[in-house]
Amino acid sequence: QKEVEQNSGPLSVPEGAIASLNCTYSDRGSQSFFWYRQYSGKSPELIMFIYSNGDKEDGRFTAQLNKASQYVSLLIRDSQPSDSATYLCAVGSRSNDYKLSFGAGTTVTVRA
Amino acid sequence: GAGVSQSPRYKVAKRGQDVALRCDPISGHVSLFWYQQALGQGPEFLTYFQNEAQLDKSGLPSDRFFAERPEGSVSTLKIQRTQQEDSAVYLCASSWQGLETQYFGPGTRLLVL
Repeated sequence: QKEVEQNSGPLSVPEGAIASLNCTYSDRGSQSFFWYRQYSGKSPELIMFIYSNGDKEDGRFTAQLNKASQYVSLLIRDSQPSDSATYLCAVGSRSNDYKLSFGAGTTVTVRA
Repeated sequence: GAGVSQSPRYKVAKRGQDVALRCDPISGHVSLFWYQQALGQGPEFLTYFQNEAQLDKSGLPSDRFFAERPEGSVSTLKIQRTQQEDSAVYLCASSWQGLETQYFGPGTRLLVL
């Protein structure tokens, strides 16, 4: 079992719709969770981080964390064509917070 | 200010050659990370520096991989006797301290023929 699993893509949504991305992790003691966006051929850039159970909103992005279920998600509201990218879920190790384990990513395409 | 820079951006090596990949972190960033990203996969942790000290090298796939950061700023990832399975994008990231946001460089795309 991989440490971090993301829902398989690609995910295609119409412009203006909500894109929902899911991620599960295996290390129950993990404390830090990150969502990165990676455009094709580019490096990952941080969108959001979340440490506590519940929701965290930043503009059109909402991260949701449920540590009991070992589940973290990202919602993109009012999706735009510029949101088309691969979204990477990353989880900090319980013993070494700096050590991020990444999922394979979910590719999102927003149709104009 | 300037972001993380990496050089070269692309490297083609013949199997068996040694390569050196350079990373210039954001000025003042204490922590520096190297990752390997295979096509269609997420980045895989290779190694972590805090200033000049290499605190974790558990992700280095073999003893052919070596990283250094002698003055606590620029870092070099060296791969000796490259193999085809080393073909990947090598990403460098830096942060103020280990736990905080990691800023990634553009990566070096290595192709071993």
